Amino acid sequence: EAGVAQSPRYKIIEKRQSVAFWCNPISGHATLYWYQQILGQGPKLLIQFQNNGVVDDSQLPKDRFSAERLKGVDSTLKIQPAKLEDSAVYLCASSPPRGTYNEQFFGPGTRLTVL
Amino acid sequence: QQQVKQSPQSLIVQKGGISIINCAYENTAFDYFPWYQQFPGKGPALLIAIRPDVSEKKEGRFTISFNKSAKQFSLHIMDSQPGDSATYFCAASWGAQKLVFGQGTRLTINP
Repeated sequence: EAGVAQSPRYKIIEKRQSVAFWCNPISGHATLYWYQQILGQGPKLLIQFQNNGVVDDSQLPKDRFSAERLKGVDSTLKIQPAKLEDSAVYLCASSPPRGTYNEQFFGPGTRLTVL
Repeated sequence: QQQVKQSPQSLIVQKGGISIINCAYENTAFDYFPWYQQFPGKGPALLIAIRPDVSEKKEGRFTISFNKSAKQFSLHIMDSQPGDSATYFCAASWGAQKLVFGQGTRLTINP
């Protein structure tokens, strides 16, 4: 079974530029998550999708971050415009429908550096 | 109340020793407590998880101890090996809600 795929793996941009990340979850996983992991910290949830609907985006900075999950499969996360403090690893995770626990499977992440 | 506090931030253990990482939480609604292992350049991977209806769960060299009254849980790695060197995160969630992660512990096992 293929894992969660993310691209690109690394991205370097100037502040005020825009950037987009892509995620393809494990096949059949209904729930998809985007996390921000700042160096030395635990992952922080940005947004959670159930199929193509948003379940939780309470910690998403909506003035600059947006995310979509068209057709309930892959997803994109966009930052526009980027700030220096957005430098982090952006992790995508997915979980199966109505799993016994909230078991989440993570992708390798995209490391963003904002200069 | 949403926080999970993890300690220590870093830990060095000799090969063959026992590694112990502790976490504490406030929200009594949490009903799922996983531990994740993360290697450099990789995403976190689920290591072991526990529900609050049991006090201990063991899988191989990894054991979670859970103290519901104290609202604390810990990860014990027995016979620690250099390959266990990684960052470990505790987390908690309730129902199908989001996982709340601790700050992480960087574990180094000296050969």
